[in-house]
Amino acid sequence: DAGVIQSPRHEVTEMGQEVTLRCKPISGHNSLFWYRQTMMRGLELLIYFNNNVPIDDSGMPEDRFSAKMPNASFSTLKIQPSEPRDSAVYFCASSLLTINTEAFFGQGTRLTVV
Amino acid sequence: AQSVTQLDSQVPVFEEAPVELRCNYSSSVSVYLFWYVQYPNQGLQLLLKYLSGSTLVKGINGFEAEFNKSQTSFHLRKPSVHISDTAEYFCAVSTGTASKLTFGTGTRLQVTL
Repeated sequence: DAGVIQSPRHEVTEMGQEVTLRCKPISGHNSLFWYRQTMMRGLELLIYFNNNVPIDDSGMPEDRFSAKMPNASFSTLKIQPSEPRDSAVYFCASSLLTINTEAFFGQGTRLTVV
Repeated sequence: AQSVTQLDSQVPVFEEAPVELRCNYSSSVSVYLFWYVQYPNQGLQLLLKYLSGSTLVKGINGFEAEFNKSQTSFHLRKPSVHISDTAEYFCAVSTGTASKLTFGTGTRLQVTL
């Protein structure tokens, strides 16, 4: 299996622009997580889905952030409008919906908002 | 809610020396514990996990960790480190709700000759 695939790997955008990050989970996995990593705040869980349904979005910083999972093989995280403080590495992870399995991470998208 | 504390932000060590990376957690319910490693410009990779049973857990790359419930700790150890172990190490805790993980702030292990 190719693992969790995220695109793009790097994104540079101007403040105010819309940014869409994409994630393809491991085939067969039914839980999907979006994390954000910054020097100041470390790794933060933004939102997670079980069977394509959002379960907990309490980590989403504000209304500018939204996430969707239209099917089991694809998810997006959108920021509109983007701000410089959104600059971070965004990770997607997937797992099986059982207690005994760990989350598998993608390589991340490094977002820079200028 | 659960939380994880990694007191050491950086740990410098010489090659072939032993190392211990500390992790303490807080939770009002039973937990599952994980250690992940992150190499530069990479995603996180699982080193090992504790779910139940033996409190000494062995993982990949010669790492092991011991779960201590009374001290709420899950310290990571390796008896002899290699240059290639230089990376960021994250301790994480889950209460079992579909692998929702809460991470510590990470410890950077720097191995030098």
